[in-house]
Amino acid sequence: DVKVTQSSRYLVKRTGEKVFLECVQDMDHENMFWYRQDPGLGLRLIYFSYDVKMKEKGDIPEGYSVSREKKERFSLILESASTNQTSMYLCASSLWDASGKETQYFGPGTRLLVL
Amino acid sequence: GQQVMQIPQYQHVQEGEDFTTYCNSSTTLSNIQWYKQRPGGHPVFLIQLVKSGEVKKQKRLTFQFGEAKKNSSLHITATQTTDVGTYFCAGPESGYSTLTFGKGTMLLVSP
Repeated sequence: DVKVTQSSRYLVKRTGEKVFLECVQDMDHENMFWYRQDPGLGLRLIYFSYDVKMKEKGDIPEGYSVSREKKERFSLILESASTNQTSMYLCASSLWDASGKETQYFGPGTRLLVL
Repeated sequence: GQQVMQIPQYQHVQEGEDFTTYCNSSTTLSNIQWYKQRPGGHPVFLIQLVKSGEVKKQKRLTFQFGEAKKNSSLHITATQTTDVGTYFCAGPESGYSTLTFGKGTMLLVSP
């Protein structure tokens, strides 16, 4: 079974703090994603990566950065946390099949509260 | 860019009633996927449809992919309390492109 783990289930930070959210997958997947989920807004893609040291902006990258130094690990960084970044953060990973289709496997999520 | 819309946003049914959620894309999709997120949980892949007009069943769940590959539906027959959750559709415009998720339909089932 694919396993995607996230470093924390719940996190409370102060405004202005630097926040690191870690995600690790154990299935050698090429692709990794960071989403945030807010009521009524669904899943919004923040950043994604198709390979080590590669990153692409998603729909809402402002205020975030990412790091992918190893294939299995994808980190989301909030350089200076703000209250509007209070949200549920979901990491996902996937692998392309021969026809370019993918299925995403999600981690349990990190619920971040910024005070 | 590509947009995927789902309706309804929310539905509350009595146990035993049927339920349908609809997914519409602004562009043709190479495939459509459905995910379920239980309350307090994370999205879990349910199924993928690839062919135009394809219909797949999983027990009481029936999934359809439209002929034009721009819409899809999920129908649950005789809902149970275990069906509670948010159902998301998602699809890429083409192979090797990222999934675009709909905003989801939240289903509440009362016993």
